[in-house]
Amino acid sequence: DTEVTQTPKHLVMGMTNKKSLKCEQHMGHRAMYWYKQKAKKPPELMFVYSYEKLSINESVPSRFSPECPNSSLLNLHLHALQPEDSALYLCASSLRIPSRGRPTDTQYFGPGTRLTVL
Amino acid sequence: AQRVTQPEKLLSVFKGAPVELKCNYSYSGSPELFWYVQYSRQRLQLLLRHISRESIKGFTADLNKGETSFHLKKPFAQEEDSAMYYCALGWETSGSRLTFGEGTQLTVNP
Repeated sequence: DTEVTQTPKHLVMGMTNKKSLKCEQHMGHRAMYWYKQKAKKPPELMFVYSYEKLSINESVPSRFSPECPNSSLLNLHLHALQPEDSALYLCASSLRIPSRGRPTDTQYFGPGTRLTVL
Repeated sequence: AQRVTQPEKLLSVFKGAPVELKCNYSYSGSPELFWYVQYSRQRLQLLLRHISRESIKGFTADLNKGETSFHLKKPFAQEEDSAMYYCALGWETSGSRLTFGEGTQLTVNP
């Protein structure tokens, strides 16, 4: 399996709901990422996990809660979101742990989950 | 701070014409530059990166440190090249962070 998969493809939720986005890869990658992408805009990094540990949190509001149960899975738990959180949420993975002095690895992106918050 | 500038939001060319998508960056150290492409209803995917010096789908890009540019070029555009193109910058202490440009929407007309 050489792809990053994401479920669900689409999600509509109310501001009081709790939902989760899921991401999976079986390429043996040890770094996984969550991005948020608004229409016609570039992806914005939210979180980076390396070896199942959170290594980067780009000052994301606590209503977004990431979880990495194992090296193949990445979840994003959503609670009390706002309508402005509606976006495409992308998961990505890369082979190696992010490290100083080493070339940046290619990131492989999933197809995304289209989230609408009502 | 690191920054990537793609001056053209929209670029339209005719099939068979040369195309150049511009990318300028600001970073004083050793940059790593990437071009990612997002075709309609498809996932974001790497097109090429400067350290591999490959030509992918006829596209090439050369890192010019003097001009701090990494322009993407193709001598003969095809309709299937129509997509959103993002230039992205990584750097030695980025921890795999990528700074993306705002993107250029390329349309190749028949």
